[in-house]
Amino acid sequence: DQQVKQNSPSLSVQEGRISILNCDYTNSMFDYFLWYKKYPAEGPTFLISISSIKDKNEDGRFTVFLNKSAKHLSLHIVPSQPGDSAVYFCAAIITGTASKLTFGTGTRLQVTL
Amino acid sequence: EAQVTQNPRYLITVTGKKLTVTCSQNMNHEYMSWYRQDPGLGLRQIYYSMNVEVTDKGDVPEGYKVSRKEKRNFPLILESPSPNQTSLYFCASRRAGGTYEQYFGPGTRLTVT
Repeated sequence: DQQVKQNSPSLSVQEGRISILNCDYTNSMFDYFLWYKKYPAEGPTFLISISSIKDKNEDGRFTVFLNKSAKHLSLHIVPSQPGDSAVYFCAAIITGTASKLTFGTGTRLQVTL
Repeated sequence: EAQVTQNPRYLITVTGKKLTVTCSQNMNHEYMSWYRQDPGLGLRQIYYSMNVEVTDKGDVPEGYKVSRKEKRNFPLILESPSPNQTSLYFCASRRAGGTYEQYFGPGTRLTVT
């Protein structure tokens, strides 16, 4: 039972344009969400997070939006750069419980010149 | 430099030959976890530890053992590896409380023939 889903396995975007990566979850108990970026042959690195008490969090070119009623979050990258080409994982956690991050299956983003 | 290290990075072994993948962090983090990454399945948690001598099962613990005798180390043990344990393994750590951001090691690619 995949509680966190990323339905787009891949996405291609032109440099300078906006990249939008989507993530859906089924467990309404999740109250904290994170995005990780992963390059080949490296471990995932933290990108940005959002608490369920917010609907938006911004850090430079990266913005995460949370729609609790739809159980949906999205990551916006503006403007996209070639160095953003990587696999992006969303993850969710129920805070106050054991340290269990539940990850999505990942979306491979390719930013073309 | 704050980091999570794993060894070995690559390992090819045969069915039934016991092996240990080591994980060490230098950030004095309380929480440590092991994940495996498989195509189409994302990252799935194998085991986690909330502190020394405190461990618990994640989503896919069958065939694995862990121990947490020291705060900085969290080895993953495969007593009798099987081909279905061929995967990419990541160790992660985070501090108790705070932002739930986990720091990942570089990964260990294991092949069991």
